Amino acid sequence: GAGVSQSPSNKVTEKGKDVELRCDPISGHTALYWYRQRLGQGLEFLIYFQGNSAPDKSGLPSDRFSAERTGESVSTLTIQRTQQEDSAVYLCASSLLTGGVGYTFGSGTRLTVV
Amino acid sequence: QKEVEQNSGPLSVPEGAIASLNCTYSDRGSQSFFWYRQYSGKSPELIMFIYSNGDKEDGRFTAQLNKASQYVSLLIRDSQPSDSATYLCAVNSGNTPLVFGKGTRLSVIA
Repeated sequence: GAGVSQSPSNKVTEKGKDVELRCDPISGHTALYWYRQRLGQGLEFLIYFQGNSAPDKSGLPSDRFSAERTGESVSTLTIQRTQQEDSAVYLCASSLLTGGVGYTFGSGTRLTVV
Repeated sequence: QKEVEQNSGPLSVPEGAIASLNCTYSDRGSQSFFWYRQYSGKSPELIMFIYSNGDKEDGRFTAQLNKASQYVSLLIRDSQPSDSATYLCAVNSGNTPLVFGKGTRLSVIA
């Protein structure tokens, strides 16, 4: 597609429920990243995928967080047993390569855990 | 732990003035440096990148890099109210994800 597409744009969920966030990167972009941005804070790296290589999961805050990517297309970020501290905007970005190039961000999913 | 530090602001400048945004980074092996602009409630958008020491100009924006001092800055000339946003500095070392600073909030006063 023309840009990075994320869905849903907003998600309100009850504490303890699981949520799935979706990201559709720019066609041809081999690298895909997930970041989290809490209110008034900077971007916190979660996970990235580069082609068919094993993903870098070093930023995932707990084992409740996981992500998958199908080839070089759609990625899903799953948060199990959501907690109130998971409330944030989850941003997905993609790029042609991993290093040395800027990313294009999607519009994000605003997750609110009540 | 790789860190990118920015003054959170807010930085207030009058319309038409030069806004100077600063960023320092901890990883001496950092190779690529980016400035993103983020309007309230929106996602970040790339406005400048720089790889080599010195200045790089693009319209009203100039990025400055000093690797010896581990310092990168963004100058915005003839600041406009539409420049009011949070500016995020991001740094990358080879094939690693960008590390972002927390951003500096800029307010341009008409």
